[in-house]
Amino acid sequence: AQSVSQHNHHVILSEAASLELGCNYSYGGTVNLFWYVQYPGQHLQLLLKYFSGDPLVKGIKGFEAEFIKSKFSFNLRKPSVQWSDTAEYFCAVNGYDMRFGAGTRLTVKP
Amino acid sequence: NAGVTQTPKFQVLKTGQSMTLQCAQDMNHNSMYWYRQDPGMGLRLIYYSASEGTTDKGEVPNGYNVSRLNKREFSLRLESAAPSQTSVYFCASSERRGHNSGNTIYFGEGSWLTVV
Repeated sequence: AQSVSQHNHHVILSEAASLELGCNYSYGGTVNLFWYVQYPGQHLQLLLKYFSGDPLVKGIKGFEAEFIKSKFSFNLRKPSVQWSDTAEYFCAVNGYDMRFGAGTRLTVKP
Repeated sequence: NAGVTQTPKFQVLKTGQSMTLQCAQDMNHNSMYWYRQDPGMGLRLIYYSASEGTTDKGEVPNGYNVSRLNKREFSLRLESAAPSQTSVYFCASSERRGHNSGNTIYFGEGSWLTVV
């Protein structure tokens, strides 16, 4: 069965700290990988996506993610977070179907 | 650019009442989806429509029905609402279903449903 795991339920950081959110999936076939962000009271918006090629993908607002096929991982990173990055982040894997992780709530303290 | 539009945004229902959530997309996408979002559980797929004229069950279809009215519209119906269906519902669409290049899913703004 296809599944997605996000390791951290809630992450609290101070501004300028570095961020890494973990995401692992289980699926034996070809996958497309996504990170979505949901700001408070809003719908999900695409941060970045991986379909093929360079496993290090860059998205909007300074986010990047690295696909490590051998580890079935697609971790999200940002070198220096801002207060405006406070949101919930969802990893998603599109194999047979699109499956989402449970989400990681990020709180950035000013 | 409207994208994916869903209505209503907020609704309170009594147990046993029925209602329909409407969704329309203007991106000429083939595939449409209904998800529910619950705290700590992420988004779970209720039903999807891979293409006009087809619908299929997702992870949590019980208590719901769907209709793909045409290529643009995909509605979700709760026939007899239960408190367990209190959730935020998201309609979404994509060019096609499956792991094909370009298959980004675009979401509507959500419908907050409370069943009392």
